[in-house]
Amino acid sequence: EAGVAQSPRYKIIEKRQSVAFWCNPISGHATLYWYQQILGQGPKLLIQFQNNGVVDDSQLPKDRFSAERLKGVDSTLKIQPAKLEDSAVYLCASSLEDNEQFFGPGTRLTVL
Amino acid sequence: GQSLEQPSEVTAVEGAIVQINCTYQTSGFYGLSWYQQHDGGAPTFLSYNALDGLEETGRFSSFLSRSDSYGYLLLQELQMKDSASYFCAVGAHGQNFVFGPGTRLSVLP
Repeated sequence: EAGVAQSPRYKIIEKRQSVAFWCNPISGHATLYWYQQILGQGPKLLIQFQNNGVVDDSQLPKDRFSAERLKGVDSTLKIQPAKLEDSAVYLCASSLEDNEQFFGPGTRLTVL
Repeated sequence: GQSLEQPSEVTAVEGAIVQINCTYQTSGFYGLSWYQQHDGGAPTFLSYNALDGLEETGRFSSFLSRSDSYGYLLLQELQMKDSASYFCAVGAHGQNFVFGPGTRLSVLP
């Protein structure tokens, strides 16, 4: 069974630029999560989708972050414009049930 | 709001047993999960407890006491490859899924 796919794996941008991340969850997983993980901290949930609907986006900085999951499968997370404090690993996960989430390899973002 | 506490670091030797504690504060609690993350890697699921008691999966066991808002992960017969960060995570109705700050386990030869 293929795992969660993410791209790109690494991205370096300058502050105020825009960036987008892509995630393809495990086939059949209705729930998709985007997390931000700053070095030395636990993952922080940014947004949770159930199929193509948003379940929770309470911690998504909506002035600069946006996410969509068209057709309830792939998802993209965008940051526009980026700030220095956005430097982190962005993890995508999918699940059938909340208690067991499968994570992709993540995208390491560096904002200069 | 929700909060979770874990020790920041734990050190043990190969073959030993180590316990990583997690205390949480939340309303609407329905389950406690544990994840392992090696440096540079993605979190991987280890275990889940919804009910009080001990769940055993090979060398790893997880315990939950809902009345004490407390759980722990027990790792037996430690191996060098167990050196990683371990996160507890709480699921609660009407609230977003929250990970703890993580415990960095170092296994010494």
